[in-house]
Amino acid sequence: AQKVTQAQTEISVVEKEDVTLDCVYETRDTTYYLFWYKQPPSGELVFLIRRNSFDEQNEISGRYSWNFQKSTSSFNFTITASQVVDSAVYFCALRGTVEYGNKLVFGAGTILRVKS
Amino acid sequence: DAGVTQSPTHLIKTRGQQVTLRCSPISGHKSVSWYQQVLGQGPQFIFQYYEKEERGRGNFPDRFSARQFPNYSSELNVNALLLGDSALYLCASSPSGQLSNQPQHFGDGTRLSIL
Repeated sequence: AQKVTQAQTEISVVEKEDVTLDCVYETRDTTYYLFWYKQPPSGELVFLIRRNSFDEQNEISGRYSWNFQKSTSSFNFTITASQVVDSAVYFCALRGTVEYGNKLVFGAGTILRVKS
Repeated sequence: DAGVTQSPTHLIKTRGQQVTLRCSPISGHKSVSWYQQVLGQGPQFIFQYYEKEERGRGNFPDRFSARQFPNYSSELNVNALLLGDSALYLCASSPSGQLSNQPQHFGDGTRLSIL
């Protein structure tokens, strides 16, 4: 089965704190792709990052960084020096290449609240 | 350039009615996917269309159907509406039918409420 688990339902932090959002996935495909999306109150899903299963390099983009560990099937997302504008629901998603075709499977999401 | 546009923004229907939701992809994108997002959950895949053909279908009943037009826009139809169909319906577009390594670009969604 193809599955994404985001165990943290809701996280609250104070502005400027660092915060890590956890994502654990399951798939039988050997080639697959992982994504993170941000969903602000407006509802639109905003693409943040894509990572393929062959590339385990961590990535940093400004205050955002991602830690992909194939050995533990995890793809965690860290926001450094959080800001109020980071408040949103964050989704981790998985797309395989064989088992489920083109379907994008999402986790349940983590609500991030950043307080000033 | 315009992003993915969906209409209407909000819709209220009663049980048993039928509804049609519309989506226009990003210019140049030929693939459209539909997702249902129930409050408090992640989006669930309903359909993918590419070049007017269905390329993927999620675990939804036959009451759900869709189609894609020659200009790549798409409609999602839901018949015999149930209370459980209340959700945010998201449309996403991608350049081609091979989605695996492509990020999908989402619209703002249509919020459907069933009374």
